[in-house]
Amino acid sequence: ELKVEQNPLFLSMQEGKNYTIYCNYSTTSDRLYWYRQDPGKSLESLFVLLSNGAVKQEGRLMASLDTKARLSTLHITAAVHDLSATYFCAAPRISYQLIWGAGTKLIIKP
Amino acid sequence: DTAVSQTPKYLVTQMGNDKSIKCEQNLGHDTMYWYKQDSKKFLKIMFSYNNKELIINETVPNRFSPKSPDKAHLNLHINSLELGDSAVYFCASRGTGVVETQYFGPGTRLLVL
Repeated sequence: ELKVEQNPLFLSMQEGKNYTIYCNYSTTSDRLYWYRQDPGKSLESLFVLLSNGAVKQEGRLMASLDTKARLSTLHITAAVHDLSATYFCAAPRISYQLIWGAGTKLIIKP
Repeated sequence: DTAVSQTPKYLVTQMGNDKSIKCEQNLGHDTMYWYKQDSKKFLKIMFSYNNKELIINETVPNRFSPKSPDKAHLNLHINSLELGDSAVYFCASRGTGVVETQYFGPGTRLLVL
């Protein structure tokens, strides 16, 4: 059974610092999705990682995928307050069904 | 212009009542979902329809009944509401490609008193 685990589940950091959120999944998958959820809002797709070694970047966020290690990372560079949100990773169990991590609540303090 | 829309946005009701939530997508997607997000933000898949056909039916009380009148709409009816049903319910849709991402509606915040 596919399980997706994120850590940490909660992260409080200062602006300007770098940090990484980790997403481990338990069975083989060639794809990994990252989503962002602002407080009281819906989920928004950030990245779709499609193959081993895939790296995608948008602004201060960079996501990567290592399918052999069954690990994806979401790296935050020089964090700013606007990046405060809950970040979810998800892996497909079958093509149309995603198994979701528990989410990482990120708080960035000025 | 909204890609995935849900009504209502907020729903406050008494235990034992029956309520419905509606979802519509204008993206031309074939697959639609209902998720429940609890107070700890955990996302649980409830149902999924593909071209009006039920394809995912997770362990959900049979008080919850989805209905898809056409592939652009997926409604959720809940009978005999319980306190534990209080949550945010998200509708989502997905295109047909293998690597397609899911697009989420704004959510319906249900509070059962």
